[in-house]
Amino acid sequence: EAGVTQFPSHSVIEKGQTVTLRCDPISGHDNLYWYRRVMGKEIKFLLHFVKESKQDESGMPNNRFLAERTGGTYSTLKVQPAELEDSGVYFCASSQWGEKLFFGSGTQLSVL
Amino acid sequence: GENVEQHPSTLSVQEGDSAVIKCTYSDSASNYFPWYKQELGKRPQLIIDIRSNVGEKKDQRIAVTLNKTAKHFSLHITETQPEDSAVYFCAASSNSGNTPLVFGKGTRLSVIA
Repeated sequence: EAGVTQFPSHSVIEKGQTVTLRCDPISGHDNLYWYRRVMGKEIKFLLHFVKESKQDESGMPNNRFLAERTGGTYSTLKVQPAELEDSGVYFCASSQWGEKLFFGSGTQLSVL
Repeated sequence: GENVEQHPSTLSVQEGDSAVIKCTYSDSASNYFPWYKQELGKRPQLIIDIRSNVGEKKDQRIAVTLNKTAKHFSLHITETQPEDSAVYFCAASSNSGNTPLVFGKGTRLSVIA
């Protein structure tokens, strides 16, 4: 069984540019989460999809972040325009029942 | 909302010794407490979890204890080995997954051979 896959694994962009991260959850997992870890800090919740619906987006920092999950399969997280403080590792995780999360390897985003 | 504090931030132990990582949480409604291990360059992986109706759970060399009254839970690793070196994250959530996991800041464990 394939795990949660994310790409790109690394992205280096300049301030003001746009970046789109992609996450493919484990097949059959209705729950999909986005988290972010800034170096040395906690893995911070961004948002939660149940199928194609946003269940909870209380962690999204501001309107520069847009997440979608069309068709309830893969998800994208777009940052536009990127700012320096957006740098960090963006993790996607999926779950069948909403508890045991399976994480992807993350996307290391560096905004210069 | 929930707040999870984790200590220590770094921990070094000699191979064969025990390691203990402690977390506290703020929301008394939290009822699910998993621990994740992230090895260097790899994804976080669930290693053990405990629910609020249980005080202790053990799986080989790792164990987790929960004190609901004090709102803290701990990870215990016995007979540590070099492959236990990683960053460990505790987390908490309520309502059996309907609220998102809130993570601590992580503990970097180094096991010295």
